[in-house]
Amino acid sequence: GENVEQHPSTLSVQEGDSAVIKCTYSDSASNYFPWYKQELGKRPQLIIDIRSNVGEKKDQRIAVTLNKTAKHFSLHITETQPEDSAVYFCAASQDRDDKIIFGKGTRLHILP
Amino acid sequence: NAGVTQTPKFRVLKTGQSMTLLCAQDMNHEYMYWYRQDPGMGLRLIHYSVGEGTTAKGEVPDGYNVSRLKKQNFLLGLESAAPSQTSVYFCASSYFVAGSYEQYFGPGTRLTVT
Repeated sequence: GENVEQHPSTLSVQEGDSAVIKCTYSDSASNYFPWYKQELGKRPQLIIDIRSNVGEKKDQRIAVTLNKTAKHFSLHITETQPEDSAVYFCAASQDRDDKIIFGKGTRLHILP
Repeated sequence: NAGVTQTPKFRVLKTGQSMTLLCAQDMNHEYMYWYRQDPGMGLRLIHYSVGEGTTAKGEVPDGYNVSRLKKQNFLLGLESAAPSQTSVYFCASSYFVAGSYEQYFGPGTRLTVT
């Protein structure tokens, strides 16, 4: 089955700087890669996703890149703000399989 | 719309007791999921359902059972609770549109087994 590895487990970034979180997946058949954000004590929420026919996708300050050959994808957050402090999860899925497998999460701290 | 709701929000069980967690969604989603979240372990899929009357095993199904008798409800059962099942349980529902499977999560149930 699919296995998703996520690094780093913890990341501290100065406010205004950029943050990058990286994930790798094992199943070459995976073709859908979402990212979820979970604030302290709250439920996870989708922030951006990408499909395998696209190499990069942007939404304001966040972007995701995908390298299918290397089987890795990354989340980029620019101009970080205090409200970006949260746990971020990457995940992978494939159309023929209806489940989504999550990475173990990255706790992002934005330092003042 | 209430979205995805979970009952109860908190529960303390003794080892060996049983309980059922209820997940309800009012978005007419076909897919529903149960996850557990433990520190440093992320979200691990327990069981899921692709439609009314269907269920399938996820990554960590042992010790749990599920039922999806109605499209809007997905029940997670613990027949004989163990301390290793102490966790936060999240239910989610999703649908497929325009190449996306956005999952909508419930607020979570914090379960402690003593």
